[in-house]
Amino acid sequence: GNSVTQMEGPVTLSEEAFLTINCTYTATGYPSLFWYVQYPGEGLQLLLKATKADDKGSNKGFEATYRKETTSFHLEKGSVQVSDSAVYFCALSDRGSSNTGKLIFGQGTTLQVKP
Amino acid sequence: DSGVTQTPKHLITATGQRVTLRCSPRSGDLSVYWYQQSLDQGLQFLIQYYNGEERAKGNILERFSAQQFPDLHSELNLSSLELGDSALYFCASSPGQGVNEKLFFGSGTQLSVL
Repeated sequence: GNSVTQMEGPVTLSEEAFLTINCTYTATGYPSLFWYVQYPGEGLQLLLKATKADDKGSNKGFEATYRKETTSFHLEKGSVQVSDSAVYFCALSDRGSSNTGKLIFGQGTTLQVKP
Repeated sequence: DSGVTQTPKHLITATGQRVTLRCSPRSGDLSVYWYQQSLDQGLQFLIQYYNGEERAKGNILERFSAQQFPDLHSELNLSSLELGDSALYFCASSPGQGVNEKLFFGSGTQLSVL
């Protein structure tokens, strides 16, 4: 079945450091890929998405490129801030015949940014 | 604020009991989703309703049931509760059936089964 694998956390960085959170997926069909972020005590928020191969999603300085050849969707940011501390979830949505919004999430990666 | 309202925020109950979690989607959204978040299982999709009809089903136990009412709010009923049902239950909504759509999540209901 479809699945998403994320790098294990926690990831601890100093402010202004470069961030990479790895995400790989297994899927049949042509999934769309998402990154959601969860701040403490809140629900998940969509950070960015890509709907087809080679698409790059970007938002708030974060980027991720849909790489079909490596089945990956790694999240990157050039310079993290303390306010980026949160849990990041990679997810996929199968665009097969089911035509639903069901998302399959990875385990989540906790990012802690220190001043 | 996502516009999705979940009540109650916290729920403490005993094994064997039954509880109802409520979700009000964003105004105009027709789909409601339920997810369970636990430390060992992560975020698991339970069920999706679209305009009152069940649209997709995930790893939802037979002891659990859900429905979406004509006013589009949804309820998740959990019965014969077990310790392992303790988790954070999220509701999300989207405008249409969901494919490639942004999901808007509520803040969750923290269920503790003692």
